[in-house]
Amino acid sequence: GQNIDQPTEMTATEGAIVQINCTYQTSGFNGLFWYQQHAGEAPTFLSYNVLDGLEEKGRFSSFLSRSKGYSYLLLKELQMKDSASYLCAVKDSNYQLIWGAGTKLIIKP
Amino acid sequence: EADIYQTPRYLVIGTGKKITLECSQTMGHDKMYWYQQDPGMELHLIHYSYGVNSTEKGDLSSESTVSRIRTEHFPLTLESARPSHTSQYLCASSTGTGDSGELFFGEGSRLTVL
Repeated sequence: GQNIDQPTEMTATEGAIVQINCTYQTSGFNGLFWYQQHAGEAPTFLSYNVLDGLEEKGRFSSFLSRSKGYSYLLLKELQMKDSASYLCAVKDSNYQLIWGAGTKLIIKP
Repeated sequence: EADIYQTPRYLVIGTGKKITLECSQTMGHDKMYWYQQDPGMELHLIHYSYGVNSTEKGDLSSESTVSRIRTEHFPLTLESARPSHTSQYLCASSTGTGDSGELFFGEGSRLTVL
């Protein structure tokens, strides 16, 4: 079966750095996505990786290793507004998205 | 800012009722999707469409139907609601032109079936 694993919950301090990991086992690979979802709201797109390496976008960076079936989302200079769930999703060989259950990130002052 | 709208945002109904959740987008996207999401759980694909008059079933499609008569409109219908249908329903769209396929989501419809 297809599977996406990410930690259920993480806690970090305002101003710090946090890394949210995602491992995947899918039938084929056509890209990996990270979405942010605030409580009670819709997910919003953060990043897309299809090749190995690091993609940087402001305070957020996303890394991919296809050989290891592994990605992480790195958030720097954490702000209280970064408290949200972060969803990892992989597009499989049929171009269908397989979603992880999300990591709830709690930011403390 | 995404232009994709869902109505109703919240709905409480009794068992056995027929309901339609509306979804409209003004971005001209070909691809549209319906997902179901329970708290702390992954999104599950219910139905999707790659264009007008094209609809496909996802993982949780057996108790619902969709139609795509116009590009901008993709309604989801539950013929006979049950308490197990209580959930958040998210509509999404994407360009589907061979790029990353970033999804734009609506605000969601939270359904409670008594």
